[in-house]
Amino acid sequence: AQSVAQPEDQVNVAEGNPLTVKCTYSVSGNPYLFWYVQYPNRGLQFLLKYITGDNLVKGSYGFEAEFNKSQTSFHLKKPSALLSDSALYFCAVRGYYGGATNKLIFGTGTLLAVQP
Amino acid sequence: NAGVMQNPRHLVRRRGQEARLRCSPMKGHSHVYWYRQLPEEGLKFMVYLQKENIIDESGMPKERFSAEFPKEGPSILRIQQVVRGDSAAYFCASSPGTSPQETQYFGPGTRLLVL
Repeated sequence: AQSVAQPEDQVNVAEGNPLTVKCTYSVSGNPYLFWYVQYPNRGLQFLLKYITGDNLVKGSYGFEAEFNKSQTSFHLKKPSALLSDSALYFCAVRGYYGGATNKLIFGTGTLLAVQP
Repeated sequence: NAGVMQNPRHLVRRRGQEARLRCSPMKGHSHVYWYRQLPEEGLKFMVYLQKENIIDESGMPKERFSAEFPKEGPSILRIQQVVRGDSAAYFCASSPGTSPQETQYFGPGTRLLVL
């Protein structure tokens, strides 16, 4: 069964410091991995995805994520946090079995709080 | 290019009434997905539709819930005889095709409150 785990409910980081939001996955076959951000009372905004190729993926707003197959992880990172990065972050996976559904399986979300 | 549109943004219903949620996908997208976000939880897949077809409804409750995506017009998620446990945010997403590599783009959601 496909699943995604975000082990931290909340991550606190000081403005200007590097941030990491963790995600691990379990899927049979090739994983397709996504990160979304949700601001209060808004929909989800796409940040980045891993399909194949380079393990380091660069996305919107200066975010990047590193795919690690051996650790089945896809952690989201940013070198320097901004106050405006404070939001709820979701990791999602879509497994591909050659014709399987396109649904996304989401983690429970990690609240990122950037402090001045 | 307008994004995914959902209406209404907020919907209040009393127990036993019907809720009808609408979703217009991004221009050029013919695949629609509905997800539900319960309070303090992540998003859960409900149903995946293409024009006039339900492709995967494995996440839909067996009773009271239905979805359609007609040839013309928006996709509709219908909840009959709502109960308080249906209170949640309902998000629609769309993608241009069937490839699992494609990104799903989300609408702003409809927040349903059942009194």
